[in-house]
Amino acid sequence: GAGVSQSPSNKVTEKGKDVELRCDPISGHTALYWYRQSLGQGLEFLIYFQGNSAPDKSGLPSDRFSAERTGGSVSTLTIQRTQQEDSAVYLCASSPDRGSYGYTFGSGTRLTVV
Amino acid sequence: KNEVEQSPQNLTAQEGEFITINCSYSVGISALHWLQQHPGGGIVSLFMLSSGKKKHGRLIATINIQEKHSSLHITASHPRDSAVYICAVLFGNEKLTFGTGTRLTIIP
Repeated sequence: GAGVSQSPSNKVTEKGKDVELRCDPISGHTALYWYRQSLGQGLEFLIYFQGNSAPDKSGLPSDRFSAERTGGSVSTLTIQRTQQEDSAVYLCASSPDRGSYGYTFGSGTRLTVV
Repeated sequence: KNEVEQSPQNLTAQEGEFITINCSYSVGISALHWLQQHPGGGIVSLFMLSSGKKKHGRLIATINIQEKHSSLHITASHPRDSAVYICAVLFGNEKLTFGTGTRLTIIP
């Protein structure tokens, strides 16, 4: 597609439920990133995929968070047993290769855990 | 430690004023982004710089590699420029490190 597509745009879930957030990067972009923006806080890195390499998971806040990227394209971020502190905007970005040229953000998924 | 500092945190100005937002970082970088986020909106990448200066419409971004400093300028500011502006830096690995953002409000 023309841009990075994320779905859903908004998600309200009950505490303790699992959620899946989807990111469809720009076609041909080999690098894909997940970031999180919590209310009143800045952006924080979660996980990074580059081609077929093992993902960099160093930003994932707990083992309730996981992500996969199938076929080097679409990525799914899964949060298990959601907690209220998981409420945030989850942003996906992609770029053509390592580094930042052509870095493009999706519009985000606003997750609210009630 | 790789750090990114932005100033000011908040900026309110009258329509038409020249706006400058600053970003400093701690060590050498491979690239720097200026991002814009309107209230309730997504993040848009305005510029990516590795040296020199770039201009797009009323927006100008400069970077001084030696001084580890970048500025974002807005000429003839307009209320629609009201947004949060974020400096994001690539320190040589693949992940961006973000500044805390500058909340800009332009009053008509």
